[in-house]
Amino acid sequence: ETGVTQTPRHLVMGMTNKKSLKCEQHLGHNAMYWYKQSAKKPLELMFVYNFKEQTENNSVPSRFSPECPNSSHLFLHLHTLQPEDSALYLCASSRAGGNRNEQFFGPGTRLTVL
Amino acid sequence: TQLLEQSPQFLSIQEGENLTVYCNSSSVFSSLQWYRQEPGEGPVLLVTVVTGGEVKKLKRLTFQFGDARKDSSLHITAAQPGDTGLYLCAGVRGETNAGKSTFGDGTTLTVKP
Repeated sequence: ETGVTQTPRHLVMGMTNKKSLKCEQHLGHNAMYWYKQSAKKPLELMFVYNFKEQTENNSVPSRFSPECPNSSHLFLHLHTLQPEDSALYLCASSRAGGNRNEQFFGPGTRLTVL
Repeated sequence: TQLLEQSPQFLSIQEGENLTVYCNSSSVFSSLQWYRQEPGEGPVLLVTVVTGGEVKKLKRLTFQFGDARKDSSLHITAAQPGDTGLYLCAGVRGETNAGKSTFGDGTTLTVKP
């Protein structure tokens, strides 16, 4: 039990669809992250939220839109995606502050864009 | 240019063998984490090392942080099939951390019974 849940676990969508990924953490953390994990590529940090404020956006295309309504919930809104966006999308949380940044990950959403 | 390089990229061994995987960088990190990821799941934190030269043990796993805090190694003794997975190292730069972890590209370990 990692304390970080993600839904849905699997998602298949067409390029014209709009969908949202949801992440929830029950660990009392105040930093949350979205990562993209593709085959044969390192984990790519997409967005970081610290106390609900977005502090990092790693040049992510605007077809990915994050939302953090509170420290426990994180969403990733998807629209007009491309087939190359197919990947495992991981959410993580951590306690902000200090130099450890020990992250707790959810199980991920396996996204396939047709 | 990958900030953190892991080697080997793939490793397939028999149960009972020992192995070492490496995580190298030219940058100094204030801390470094090791994670293990199993298929269909997210990475799970194994350990954090903070002090140069630090050695930490977790059952059959031994983690070492380089003296200069630029590199780390993970040694597994008497590997078991349950050790199979993707091993990721992540370095934290600076003293204020959120979003500052950089992940290596991972070592995929397969332990055959």
